[in-house]
Amino acid sequence: GEKVEQHESTLSVREGDSAVINCTYTDTASSYFPWYKQEAGKSLHFVIDIRSNVDRKQSQRLIVLLDKKAKRFSLHITATQPEDSAIYFCAADTGYQNFYFGKGTSLTVIP
Amino acid sequence: AQTIHQWPVAEIKAVGSPLSLGCTIKGKSSPNLYWYWQATGGTLQQLFYSITVGQVESVVQLNLSASRPKDDQFILSTEKLLLSHSGFYLCAWNTLRDWGGGNQDTQYFGPGTRLLVL
Repeated sequence: GEKVEQHESTLSVREGDSAVINCTYTDTASSYFPWYKQEAGKSLHFVIDIRSNVDRKQSQRLIVLLDKKAKRFSLHITATQPEDSAIYFCAADTGYQNFYFGKGTSLTVIP
Repeated sequence: AQTIHQWPVAEIKAVGSPLSLGCTIKGKSSPNLYWYWQATGGTLQQLFYSITVGQVESVVQLNLSASRPKDDQFILSTEKLLLSHSGFYLCAWNTLRDWGGGNQDTQYFGPGTRLLVL
């Protein structure tokens, strides 16, 4: 089955800098890649996604890049703010209602 | 607007006791429903999904079972809890939408149920 690897387990950045979280996947059939944010003690909150028919998507300060050849996708958070501090999960879906999540990246934005 | 509820909010249960967790979605007809388990500090493991009433597919069972008795309801249960069942249980929903390259759509998660098995 699909395996999603999230490369950074922890990440610290200064407020205003950019944060980048990288994920790789193994199944070439995966075509949908969502990102979620989890604050301490809370559930997952959808932040942004990308589908395999595009290689870049932006929503305000969030940018997602997809490199299908390398089977890699990344989340870029620009102009970080303290409220961006949380655990971020990447995921991949092959289209058969099976979602595979990475292990999460704990992002700390230092004021 | 769609809302998703999970009950109970938290449970402390004894090993060997039964468990029933519930999930209800309002404001959306015929959603796909999912159960996930998250170990403390861990990643999410998809357990079950259902695309219609009465039909449930198992991804990873972990000695749990699931049922969908109504269009808007998804139930996770077991007759005998294990210590390893402790964790955070999340229900999620989405709909199938054909976007020309597949039919996946965004999953939205419920608030979750924290379970501690002692």
